[in-house]
Amino acid sequence: GAGVSQSPRYKVAKRGQDVALRCDPISGHVSLFWYQQALGQGPEFLTYFQNEAQLDKSGLPSDRFFAERPEGSVSTLKIQRTQQEDSAVYLCASSFELAGGMETAQETQYFGPGTRLLVL
Amino acid sequence: SQELEQSPQSLIVQEGKNLTINCTSSKTLYGLYWYKQKYGEGLIFLMMLQKGGEEKSHEKITAKLDEKKQQSSLHITASQPSHAGIYLCGATPGGGADGLTFGKGTHLIIQP
Repeated sequence: GAGVSQSPRYKVAKRGQDVALRCDPISGHVSLFWYQQALGQGPEFLTYFQNEAQLDKSGLPSDRFFAERPEGSVSTLKIQRTQQEDSAVYLCASSFELAGGMETAQETQYFGPGTRLLVL
Repeated sequence: SQELEQSPQSLIVQEGKNLTINCTSSKTLYGLYWYKQKYGEGLIFLMMLQKGGEEKSHEKITAKLDEKKQQSSLHITASQPSHAGIYLCGATPGGGADGLTFGKGTHLIIQP
């Protein structure tokens, strides 16, 4: 079956511009995650949805970052007034279920190809 | 918060040689995930380990979690060019946190 897809794959934005990044999770996956990966680093957690509910947004770096998943499927990560430090790869992942917040292993997350954002 | 240290940061091995990548945590690992990433691409899931002493293998890759559940290793036997990439370990952070915490990755280069 189809994996997680993300669009656009590449985005160049001028500083101050707003951008919207889209994620299509695997069909039937309840949980959806956004991560930010800076060059040479591992991915860092941004936010988590269970269906349409955003249960954790503790990783969002500022109030310029906003994510939504209105129908519990496709998700959009929006960055307002982009800054150069926002340049990174934005990864989306989905999983069938989640045992979140517990001292136990989570359901495996499957990642999309990422959107590479460059802010000039 | 949990931090994952990966070693080495980068590794160059000759094709056909064996290699090991390590992932160490300061806290108990409730779930340890190994992913592979090629430049410009997303993460490909390799294996997940949960239990102390657990070992899993897929083709020429073997991952182990120690008995104390604080260290994992990824071993590749008879490396091939297709093994080249960045290997990332990720873990359930615990403590009520969602998402995964990742190490910085190990960049593997295979020399023909």
